[in-house]
Amino acid sequence: DQQVKQNSPSLSVQEGRISILNCDYTNSMFDYFLWYKKYPAEGPTFLISISSIKDKNEDGRFTVFLNKSAKHLSLHIVPSQPGDSAVYFCAASTNNFNKFYFGSGTKLNVKP
Amino acid sequence: AAGVIQSPRHLIKEKRETATLKCYPIPRHDTVYWYQQGPGQDPQFLISFYEKMQSDKGSIPDRFSAQQFSDYHSELNMSSLELGDSALYFCASSFRDRGHEQYFGPGTRLTVT
Repeated sequence: DQQVKQNSPSLSVQEGRISILNCDYTNSMFDYFLWYKKYPAEGPTFLISISSIKDKNEDGRFTVFLNKSAKHLSLHIVPSQPGDSAVYFCAASTNNFNKFYFGSGTKLNVKP
Repeated sequence: AAGVIQSPRHLIKEKRETATLKCYPIPRHDTVYWYQQGPGQDPQFLISFYEKMQSDKGSIPDRFSAQQFSDYHSELNMSSLELGDSALYFCASSFRDRGHEQYFGPGTRLTVT
């Protein structure tokens, strides 16, 4: 049972524009949501997280929005840069952090 | 800054052999996670440890076992290897008080022939 879903396997964006990556979840008990960036042959790199008590968290060019009623979160990257091209994973956990559930990833391609 | 270290980076084994993967967490991190990522798939949670005790278990086959040692490093032992065990195995670590920040190692690529 896939508790975290990323329905878009890929996204292509022009450099300088906004990239919006989406993630849906089914378990209302999740307390934390995270975004990871992954390059080929490397481990995922932690990008940004958000607690379920917030609806927005911002860090530089990265902003995560959480809509609890819709069980949906999104990662906004503004402005997008070619170096942002990678696979982005959404993940979720309850607040005991014993276990994390990952989405299937979205491959972002930022075109120069 | 120190990162999560995994060894070996690549491992080739034959069917029915055993393999041991090692993970050295970031210093002062007390929690370790193991994930398996098959080709084109998302990382699947296998098992986690907090302060040397197993804290949760996911879709880990009975042929696999793991433990966290007194120095917080962890080992994933895999026996009776099958072709389907070929995957990238990631270890991640975190400090429980900031458990929402999980840091991954570079992974071990296991190929079973």
